[in-house]
Amino acid sequence: DAGVIQSPRHEVTEMGQEVTLRCKPISGHNSLFWYRQTMMRGLELLIYFNNNVPIDDSGMPEDRFSAKMPNASFSTLKIQPSEPRDSAVYFCASSLAGAWPYEQYFGPGTRLTVT
Amino acid sequence: GENVEQHPSTLSVQEGDSAVIKCTYSDSASNYFPWYKQELGKGPQLIIDIRSNVGEKKDQRIAVTLNKTAKHFSLHITETQPEDSAVYFCAASQTGFQKLVFGTGTRLLVSP
Repeated sequence: DAGVIQSPRHEVTEMGQEVTLRCKPISGHNSLFWYRQTMMRGLELLIYFNNNVPIDDSGMPEDRFSAKMPNASFSTLKIQPSEPRDSAVYFCASSLAGAWPYEQYFGPGTRLTVT
Repeated sequence: GENVEQHPSTLSVQEGDSAVIKCTYSDSASNYFPWYKQELGKGPQLIIDIRSNVGEKKDQRIAVTLNKTAKHFSLHITETQPEDSAVYFCAASQTGFQKLVFGTGTRLLVSP
């Protein structure tokens, strides 16, 4: 079975450029999470969706960040304009919100470097 | 909101030794505590979890204990092997909640 798929795996961009990270959740899962991982702040939840609807975006650091989930099999996290402090590994995870507890399955991550 | 603290941040052991990682949580309503293992270049993966209605759970060489009164839980790895080297995260959640609050992670290094 294919797990959570993220692309690209690595992204290097210059400050001020737009960056789009992509995620394909596990087929059949109805919840999707975006996390950011840094040495300083650890693993932070940015936003999560249930049935393609954003439920909690309180972790989104600022208006430069936006996330969409146009259908059950695709989500994007966009940063515009990007800044060096956005450099981190971004993870997407999915789960099946059926019987609790809901195990989250993580993708391999996208390592973003903003110069 | 919930806050999860994790110690130590790094842990070095010799192969065959035991390793213990400890976490404390702040919200007494939390009742689900998973542990994730993150290998280099990969995303975290669930290895074991415990609910507040039990005090201990084992799965081969790994075990988790929970002390609800003190609001702390621990991961125990016995007979460590080099392939146990990874970053381990604890987390906490509540019934029906989808959000997990993660600890800051422990880098475990098992030397042959």
